[in-house]
Amino acid sequence: EIVLTQSPGTLSLSPGERATLSCRASQSVSSSYLAWYQQKPGQAPRLLIYGASSRATGIPDRFSGSGSGTDFTLTISRLEPEDFAVYYCQQYGFSPPYTFGQGTKLEIK
Amino acid sequence: EVQLVESGGGLVQPGGSLRLSCAASGFTFSTYSMNWVRQAPGRGLEWVSYITSGSSAIYYADSVKGRFTISRDNAKNSLYLQMNSLRDEDTAVYYCARDPTRGYWAIDYWGQGTLVTVSS
Repeated sequence: EIVLTQSPGTLSLSPGERATLSCRASQSVSSSYLAWYQQKPGQAPRLLIYGASSRATGIPDRFSGSGSGTDFTLTISRLEPEDFAVYYCQQYGFSPPYTFGQGTKLEIK
Repeated sequence: EVQLVESGGGLVQPGGSLRLSCAASGFTFSTYSMNWVRQAPGRGLEWVSYITSGSSAIYYADSVKGRFTISRDNAKNSLYLQMNSLRDEDTAVYYCARDPTRGYWAIDYWGQGTLVTVSS
């Protein structure tokens, strides 16, 4: 099983700042199979990034993904108030079980 | 518009059974692979199970293997999760979730979830 470890657990930033979220895999993951999701309280998750760096439909360009192998990053260039949420990475489609990271909570400072 | 509507959640005693359903609409269900994903109260997301469009490939998380069974009825545009031998730790919101099945690997649409509570 591929274990995904996200850091930090909680990130406290202000609107307008840049956010950098990390996802580290216990073994190499093809970038094609790495996705990022956003979840707000009481809502279902929403797909942000697939293939490590491709934005899903309707996702603003302030969201970007990068990385390869075992290290992946989600960057939000300038935080908007609606971006404060929990973010999850997932390895999906290559090697079941299709595990999630434990999440990073992005909170308003 | 893609819609996934889960039903069948509720309160069940440990050791009991429950069958979740997911009604799909707004897309050609029979051509898409599907998933169940769960989230325990206050916890993160946990992938549970996956099924291909024609049910030829099925996968489970180790935590539910041998107890849960995923299935689908393409004629009824429906996905199911039969849950047996339920444990306290199975308490969670269960999401039905679509795999785009072409072009890229991710979960692109999610239902709103149905709550399963396992408690005596």
